[in-house]
Amino acid sequence: GENVEQHPSTLSVQEGDSAVIKCTYSDSASNYFPWYKQELGKGPQLIIDIRSNVGEKKDQRIAVTLNKTAKHFSLHITETQPEDSAVYFCAAKVVRGGNQFYFGTGTSLTVIP
Amino acid sequence: NAGVMQNPRHLVRRRGQEARLRCSPMKGHSHVYWYRQLPEEGLKFMVYLQKENIIDESGMPKERFSAEFPKEGPSILRIQQVVRGDSAAYFCASSPSGHVLGHGSPLHFGNGTRLTVT
Repeated sequence: GENVEQHPSTLSVQEGDSAVIKCTYSDSASNYFPWYKQELGKGPQLIIDIRSNVGEKKDQRIAVTLNKTAKHFSLHITETQPEDSAVYFCAAKVVRGGNQFYFGTGTSLTVIP
Repeated sequence: NAGVMQNPRHLVRRRGQEARLRCSPMKGHSHVYWYRQLPEEGLKFMVYLQKENIIDESGMPKERFSAEFPKEGPSILRIQQVVRGDSAAYFCASSPSGHVLGHGSPLHFGNGTRLTVT
C-alpha cells in the first residue's frame, strides 16, 4: 500500500518567516494530495489540496508544490503568523477501487512572535 | 451547511464497559472514515464505510471493535469491553460519493470524540 513520510516532525519559525513542510509518497497511482491543519482540541481542517495534473497551487500565504517524478510534495507558508501554529498533516489518496487516504505523521509548527 | 458532527465530544468509560461513538457526515456525503489519534501522534486509519457497506476495515482491530453506517442515521463506532489502551481521540471524516475528474474528493473531519478509559 501507499506510504507517506513527512518531515520535519517539529518546526519553529519566527513570525514573518516562511515555513516549509515536505512529504514523500511511494505509490505512483496516488493522484490527490490534501493538506490539513489541526489546532488543539479540534479535528483536522483542509487548508489546501493539489491534484496530480497540477504542479503548484497557491492560496494567499499558502502554497503547495508537487513533483510527481520524485514523488514528493511540499507545503509552503509565507509571512507566518502566530495563528499558523498548529499540527499540519499531508495526505495522499489512491483512487483505486475506493477512496483511501494515507496520512503523514504530522508536523508541529510553532510560530514565535 | 453543518459540518461533520461527532458525539459525544468526551466519553469516559470504566474498563470492561462499552463505548459507542457517533458520527453524522456532512449533508450529501455517503462515505465515512474513522481514524484514531493518540496524543502527539498522527491519524491512524481504522475503517472506511459507505451506506450499509464496509469498504475497508484493515485498520480496525479484529476483536472488540466494530463499525456500521446504516441506511438511516449516523455511523457508529463501537468498542466493547474497553481497556486503558483504547483511550484516544477518535475522528470521523466524510466525503461525497464518486470522484471529481477522477481525482477524488477531500475528507472533511469532525472535532472528534475523546475517549478516556479509567
